[in-house]
Amino acid sequence: NAGVTQTPKFRVLKTGQSMTLLCAQDMNHEYMYWYRQDPGMGLRLIHYSVGEGTTAKGEVPDGYNVSRLKKQNFLLGLESAAPSQTSVYFCASSYWPSTDTQYFGPGTRLTVL
Amino acid sequence: AQSVAQPEDQVNVAEGNPLTVKCTYSVSGNPYLFWYVQYPNRGLQFLLKYITGDNLVKGSYGFEAEFNKSQTSFHLKKPSALVSDSALYFCAVRALTGANNLFFGTGTRLTVIP
Repeated sequence: NAGVTQTPKFRVLKTGQSMTLLCAQDMNHEYMYWYRQDPGMGLRLIHYSVGEGTTAKGEVPDGYNVSRLKKQNFLLGLESAAPSQTSVYFCASSYWPSTDTQYFGPGTRLTVL
Repeated sequence: AQSVAQPEDQVNVAEGNPLTVKCTYSVSGNPYLFWYVQYPNRGLQFLLKYITGDNLVKGSYGFEAEFNKSQTSFHLKKPSALVSDSALYFCAVRALTGANNLFFGTGTRLTVIP
């Protein structure tokens, strides 16, 4: 049981480039989340999904898109990266009915130059 | 709206001494409160949660938290700190929307000094 995995672990982008972060979970969880972690600000929710084929916006969705084509995968896309998107990105998942207990991946450190 | 505040960025404690990491909350209605821990270069790990019932909640690794409704606090405690407890600790409250996502505090870095 790998739990929640994230690919890649590190990435450096130039302003304007695009990329996709992949989150995968093997626990058959319905809910999946993308957070970003910035110094002094804790974690903030970007987008989330309550099931395959569904997505919704969180606190800070601007500049990001997501897709949940398969239950086990949740993709986060940056269409045109900006320096303000330099952050550590965490994926999390949870299962019904204990959706408030979330399982986190190891994170992706993204730097946008 | 709901939020949590962690008033201390850094807490230092000697090994073997009791530790407290503070958290206060602001919630309309009954709060669902959580503590998570983050070790270096790792994702967050669930420690414990308060939903209802006993005000003293016991969690992983010997940690416990005390829910105090009158003071709107949910402080994390451990009777005897270990060096291996050194990490970043986050308090969180569950959203009232259907996402059930968590709103996190800014985190408190705990350093246990040998």
